[in-house]
Amino acid sequence: QVQLQQSGPGLVKPSETLSLTCSVSGVSMSSYYWTWIRQPPGKGLEWIGYTHHTGATHYNPSLESRVTISLDTSKNQFSLTLYSVTSADTAVYYCATGSDSGYYKWWGQGTLVTVSS
Amino acid sequence: QFVLTQPPSVSGAPGQRVTISCTGNSSNIGTYYGVHWYQQLPGTAPKLLIYGNNIRPSGVPDRFSGSKSGTSASLAITGLQAEDEADYYCQCYDSSVSRYLFGTGTTVTVL
Repeated sequence: QVQLQQSGPGLVKPSETLSLTCSVSGVSMSSYYWTWIRQPPGKGLEWIGYTHHTGATHYNPSLESRVTISLDTSKNQFSLTLYSVTSADTAVYYCATGSDSGYYKWWGQGTLVTVSS
Repeated sequence: QFVLTQPPSVSGAPGQRVTISCTGNSSNIGTYYGVHWYQQLPGTAPKLLIYGNNIRPSGVPDRFSGSKSGTSASLAITGLQAEDEADYYCQCYDSSVSRYLFGTGTTVTVL
């Protein structure tokens, strides 16, 4: 079955860079859009952006200047990089995928990233 | 702002029917873009319940149904069960802000 397994640090210092990886099994990365979504503690979901095997990317305009989502099909992984983080970036980060129509059938387990010195 | 508006909470007794509304505008729900719904149990990742306005993925009980009309969408849960206690989110693409939006979220309580 399809599995998305997230990895990365749970603590990042302010002004530094947040990096998370999502390892994919059970589905070809030549399909679908590979997406990151976050959820601040006690709050709702926020779409961060996606990448596609064609090289296409699309980011939330509110984060676009600080975010990169990349795909490594040779490793069956995709990654999130968020630069210059602040406490407002503290959230549970999810990787997700599952369609070409903007909905998400499969999700990673979530990673709580806390921005604090 | 750039959100889809949902009621903060709804509740019902076991066996009852509850509905959750999701209100948008002519740049998101009011377009041809599909509305999708997710269920999130405490401490877990969201689970896809409905996609493309009214399509249930395999394995989702037919107690869950979705609909869309104009600039609003709804999720209905019939035969409410204790295991349905969770947060529910709608989702749709917004062409004016070029991003996917999630609803504000609704907590369902089974009395």
